[in-house]
Amino acid sequence: AQKVTQAQTEISVVEKEDVTLDCVYETRDTTYYLFWYKQPPSGELVFLIRRNSFDEQNEISGRYSWNFQKSTSSFNFTITASQVVDSAVYFCALSAWPSTGNQFYFGTGTSLTVIP
Amino acid sequence: NAGVMQNPRHLVRRRGQEARLRCSPMKGHSHVYWYRQLPEEGLKFMVYLQKENIIDESGMPKERFSAEFPKEGPSILRIQQVVRGDSAAYFCASSLLGDGTEAFFGQGTRLTVV
Repeated sequence: AQKVTQAQTEISVVEKEDVTLDCVYETRDTTYYLFWYKQPPSGELVFLIRRNSFDEQNEISGRYSWNFQKSTSSFNFTITASQVVDSAVYFCALSAWPSTGNQFYFGTGTSLTVIP
Repeated sequence: NAGVMQNPRHLVRRRGQEARLRCSPMKGHSHVYWYRQLPEEGLKFMVYLQKENIIDESGMPKERFSAEFPKEGPSILRIQQVVRGDSAAYFCASSLLGDGTEAFFGQGTRLTVV
């Protein structure tokens, strides 16, 4: 079975602090993809990153970085020097091939509030 | 450069009415997915369609819900005889490849049943 766990329901940080959002996944498939999406207060889902199971390189994009560790089945997301515009709900998601095909499994999300 | 377009953005229906949610995928995408987001929860898969075919409807409630993706026109998620528990945000996503490597989401339709 596929499962994504985001244990942090809500996080509040003060602007310019760093914050890490945790994501732990479960799958028996050897080929899978992990994603992070941002859902700002306006409600749309914004794609942030995709990682496949064969690529454990960490990635950095501006203030965002992602740490993928297969040994702990985790795909954590760090925002450096947080800003008020980062306030949103962040979802981690998994798709596993071939057992779940096209379904994405989402975690329950982490609501991040950045306080000015 | 239109993304996935969903309409309406907000829909209010009285109990017992029908709700029709529309989704136009990104240009060139023939794979469409519908997800439901209940309050305070993550998105849950409902159905996966390709043009004129339902590929996987394992997440669809057995009654009152149906989906289609005709040869011409948008994909439609139809909910008959809505109940309060149907109140949720419904998201559509589309994909070019249909292999689980990508999903581009629309802005969602927020259905409120009163």
